[in-house]
Amino acid sequence: GAGVSQSPSNKVTEKGKDVELRCDPISGHTALYWYRQRLGQGLEFLIYFQGNSAPDKSGLPSDRFSAERTGESVSTLTIQRTQQEDSAVYLCASRPGLAGAWNEQFFGPGTRLTVL
Amino acid sequence: QQQVKQSPQSLIVQKGGISIINCAYENTAFDYFPWYQQFPGKGPALLIAIRPDVSEKKEGRFTISFNKSAKQFSLHIMDSQPGDSATYFCAASKGGNKLVFGAGTILRVKS
Repeated sequence: GAGVSQSPSNKVTEKGKDVELRCDPISGHTALYWYRQRLGQGLEFLIYFQGNSAPDKSGLPSDRFSAERTGESVSTLTIQRTQQEDSAVYLCASRPGLAGAWNEQFFGPGTRLTVL
Repeated sequence: QQQVKQSPQSLIVQKGGISIINCAYENTAFDYFPWYQQFPGKGPALLIAIRPDVSEKKEGRFTISFNKSAKQFSLHIMDSQPGDSATYFCAASKGGNKLVFGAGTILRVKS
């Protein structure tokens, strides 16, 4: 596909379970971002990958959150021992080029996570 | 320092009218200011963006006005249409990197 894809589109889980969210960026995009969007709020930055550089994890809210990216391809965001406050839409974005290039970030449709 | 404050939270405009959304930022290191449009169930899509070396940028019916000294920027939608009804987010970043978003404005254009 031409755009950023995310799966699943919806995920309902029970409190305490682990979840894994997947992002397929646009082919050739070296930068990949994860954001969280709580209901009625703006997006919060979580983590940023740029090529083979160490990721910027400064936005991760707790050590229950982690993310991986293999090269310049798929990324997975893992939330361990989910809590009700983790309920949100998790959005992935990809961008061509290096930081400072002011390239547009292209967003996927998001994964809506509901923790019961 | 990292906040971007956006107002109003919601806005109702008559078809053909002008929609105005305002944002203010604190971090003077920010050098990229995009506006994103989001429809329900979709991810945000870039509408228009500006850098601080210009005071205004226009693309079609959409204009960003930028006031560097006041650390404020705004989105103007001219001749607003029902199809413009969506949530609009301002954002800011340093070097086009991780974006700091405003809380969003829900725009409804009445026909």
